[in-house]
Amino acid sequence: EAGVVQSPRYKIIEKKQPVAFWCNPISGHNTLYWYRQNLGQGPELLIRYENEEAVDDSQLPKDRFSAERLKGVDSTLKIQPAELGDSAVYLCASSRWTTTDTQYFGPGTRLTVL
Amino acid sequence: TQLLEQSPQFLSIQEGENLTVYCNSSSVFSSLQWYRQEPGEGPVLLVTVVTGGEVKKLKRLTFQFGDARKDSSLHITAAQPGDTGLYLCAGRGSQGNLIFGKGTKLSVKP
Repeated sequence: EAGVVQSPRYKIIEKKQPVAFWCNPISGHNTLYWYRQNLGQGPELLIRYENEEAVDDSQLPKDRFSAERLKGVDSTLKIQPAELGDSAVYLCASSRWTTTDTQYFGPGTRLTVL
Repeated sequence: TQLLEQSPQFLSIQEGENLTVYCNSSSVFSSLQWYRQEPGEGPVLLVTVVTGGEVKKLKRLTFQFGDARKDSSLHITAAQPGDTGLYLCAGRGSQGNLIFGKGTKLSVKP
């Protein structure tokens, strides 16, 4: 069974530029999560989808961050414009159904904003 | 706000030594999970503990959930270089989402 796929693995941009991350969850998994992991920290949830519905986006900075999960499969997380403080690893995870199911994480996208 | 504090932050030991890392909170959690994360990879679930006082073993790793379900520990016996990584604990918050600690970065030297 293929794991969670994320791309790109690394991205370096200048501040004020836009950036997008893509995630393809494990086949058949209905719940998808985007986390941000700052250096020396644990992951923090940004947004959770159940199928194509964003059911928890309370921690998503909505002034510059947006996400979508069209057709309830893969998902895109966008930052526009990026700020220096956005440098972090952005992790995508998926689980079969609810939040109590095991979450499987992708390898993440390491973003550096210069 | 539910927070999880992990200690120590960093641990560097020689192969064959034993170690214990801790995960503490002032809040009660319905369950706690332990993950290991290697550089350039996402966290991988090691174990979930649910019942207060529960002890689970995974080869040389022993996980314990505190009686009051506010703390947990991970003990590794005879550590090996392959155990090197970031160990994260995570508890289920009030909305069912995972709340992670900052992690313990373990380095096991041959």
